[in-house]
Amino acid sequence: GEDVEQSLFLSVREGDSSVINCTYTDSSSTYLYWYKQEPGAGLQLLTYIFSNMDMKQDQRLTVLLNKKDKHLSLRIADTQTGDSAIYFCAESNTDKLIFGTGTRLQVFP
Amino acid sequence: ETGVTQTPRHLVMGMTNKKSLKCEQHLGHNAMYWYKQSAKKPLELMFVYNFKEQTENNSVPSRFSPECPNSSHLFLHLHTLQPEDSALYLCASSPPGVNTGELFFGEGSRLTVL
Repeated sequence: GEDVEQSLFLSVREGDSSVINCTYTDSSSTYLYWYKQEPGAGLQLLTYIFSNMDMKQDQRLTVLLNKKDKHLSLRIADTQTGDSAIYFCAESNTDKLIFGTGTRLQVFP
Repeated sequence: ETGVTQTPRHLVMGMTNKKSLKCEQHLGHNAMYWYKQSAKKPLELMFVYNFKEQTENNSVPSRFSPECPNSSHLFLHLHTLQPEDSALYLCASSPPGVNTGELFFGEGSRLTVL
């Protein structure tokens, strides 16, 4: 079946770049997503990338997709304390999304 | 504020109790979902409803019983739960038509089973 894997934790210093990695198994996924969950809240779509793209940039966020290796990454430049949250990678499979475990990003001063 | 509201936000129940979780959205979305979020596990899809019809039951035990009376409301009825069912239960909705797969999530109902 479909599987999405992420590391559970990442800790970075404020001002540094954060890179959150994800691997997935379904090569037919049309879109791949990054969702953010702040403390006490539900998930919110952060960004997504179409499967025929290699890179997508949106202000401080850069998404890289390596389709051959089924690897997706999210880079956050100039990480701030407000970026502390859980980041979920997800792939689309027909009419549903398959999520990973989420990576808890902790930003320290 | 995503427009998806879940109640209650916190629920503590014994294994013999019967309770329900409620979700509502007035975004005009036609699809609604229940997800289970447990620590260190992937977000787990439980049920999907499209236009009030259940289209997905992801091998969920029968002690969880969903109900979708209309496209705006979704319930999860709980009975004779086990302590391992303690988790955050998230409701989500998505709009009709071709879309990029964006789900709109509620803030979740934190369930503790004693």
